[in-house]
Amino acid sequence: EVQLVESGGGLVQPGRSLRLSCTASGFTLGDYAMNWVRQAPGKGLEWVGLIRNRAYGGTIEYAASVEGRFTISRDDSKSMAYLQMNSLKTEDTAMYYCTRIYSSSWHRSFDNWGQGTMVTVSS
Amino acid sequence: DIVMTQSPDSLAVSLGDRVTINCKSSQTLYSSNNKIYLAWYQQKPGQPPKLLIYSAFIRESGVPDRFSGSGSGTDFTLTISSLQAEDVAVYYCHQYSNTPFIFGPGTKVDIK
Repeated sequence: EVQLVESGGGLVQPGRSLRLSCTASGFTLGDYAMNWVRQAPGKGLEWVGLIRNRAYGGTIEYAASVEGRFTISRDDSKSMAYLQMNSLKTEDTAMYYCTRIYSSSWHRSFDNWGQGTMVTVSS
Repeated sequence: DIVMTQSPDSLAVSLGDRVTINCKSSQTLYSSNNKIYLAWYQQKPGQPPKLLIYSAFIRESGVPDRFSGSGSGTDFTLTISSLQAEDVAVYYCHQYSNTPFIFGPGTKVDIK
């Protein structure tokens, strides 16, 4: 069974850092690009960024709202993806989801999502 | 960046009625292999989004056949042929043709 499990969320003060983890199971992480998507309370979905798999260069892209503050990484040997969030702002308060996209069949979109981990940025 | 709009913002229909949700992109969505990188997701309260339709009209495995997608170019539609109680949710369209990947603002579907 495919599973994505996010962890690492919590309450953090503005300007501080937090690292989210996404644990993948039931599939070969190295075959997929991994994305982070967030959802502020009562709001819609916002794509945060992605990291492609090694076969596609391992390149990373970010939304403009987090560029320069957030860093996405992956460790395929551990079946993990990460989201390092620095210089957090109150507007980063959201549920953070990790989701996958099959690199060889990109048209299949984000076919599995984790349950999410909540990040609250507040003093 | 591609802008995605949806209409209506919300709607309430009777059980068994047809539901139509529209999604418009500011640019044509396509890829070099002629796939359309437009997806539809369903999100129920307290749950993560669930993929319903990808490549504009391909139903994800396990999704009831009352859900269908159509459209091309910049205009797309999600149709629920006969609304069931379990379909109460927010529906999002999503372009994954170019980064930044953008989701539509969502359409809330309720029972009248």
